[in-house]
Amino acid sequence: DVKVTQSSRYLVKRTGEKVFLECVQDMDHENMFWYRQDPGLGLRLIYFSYDVKMKEKGDIPEGYSVSREKKERFSLILESASTNQTSMYLCASHSPAGINTGELFFGEGSRLTVL
Amino acid sequence: AQSVTQLGSHVSVSEGALVLLRCNYSSSVPPYLFWYVQYPNQGLQLLLKYTTGATLVKGINGFEAEFKKSETSFHLTKPSAHMSDAAEYFCAVSEGGADGLTFGKGTHLIIQP
Repeated sequence: DVKVTQSSRYLVKRTGEKVFLECVQDMDHENMFWYRQDPGLGLRLIYFSYDVKMKEKGDIPEGYSVSREKKERFSLILESASTNQTSMYLCASHSPAGINTGELFFGEGSRLTVL
Repeated sequence: AQSVTQLGSHVSVSEGALVLLRCNYSSSVPPYLFWYVQYPNQGLQLLLKYTTGATLVKGINGFEAEFKKSETSFHLTKPSAHMSDAAEYFCAVSEGGADGLTFGKGTHLIIQP
């Protein structure tokens, strides 16, 4: 089974702090994604990566950056956290090999609170 | 660009009653369609998916969905609701690109005892 692991389930940070959210997948998937989930808004794509050191902006990249130094690891970075970034963050991965249906495999989520 | 509309942010049914969660999509190419379920404070788990072939697809926990191209719909049903079905349900569409899925805003399913 595919396993996507997010390092922190719950974080509390202060405004202005730098925040790192880490995600690791163990199925050699090429593509990895960071989504943000808010009540009534569903999941919104922040960034995705289709290869090591490659990244693409999603729908809401402002205030975020990402890093993909190794194939299995995809990090989301908040350079200076703000209260409007309080949210649930979900990491996902998939492999486009074969029939690429787009099916995603998700981690458990990281709930970030910024005070 | 693809999009997904889920009708009803909250749906309440009695235990044992039919569950119907509605999803309509738009896509410029034949889509791949998904339903995911999310239990409180957890990630998303795949419930079922339509890729090609049979338009009625069965998933886990007794759920099924039917792809209706003429109606651009992919509604999720379960004949008899159970208390454990209480969760958030997301419909999603893909055109097979590298940019993942486009999700609906979600439907919170409430089961009344």
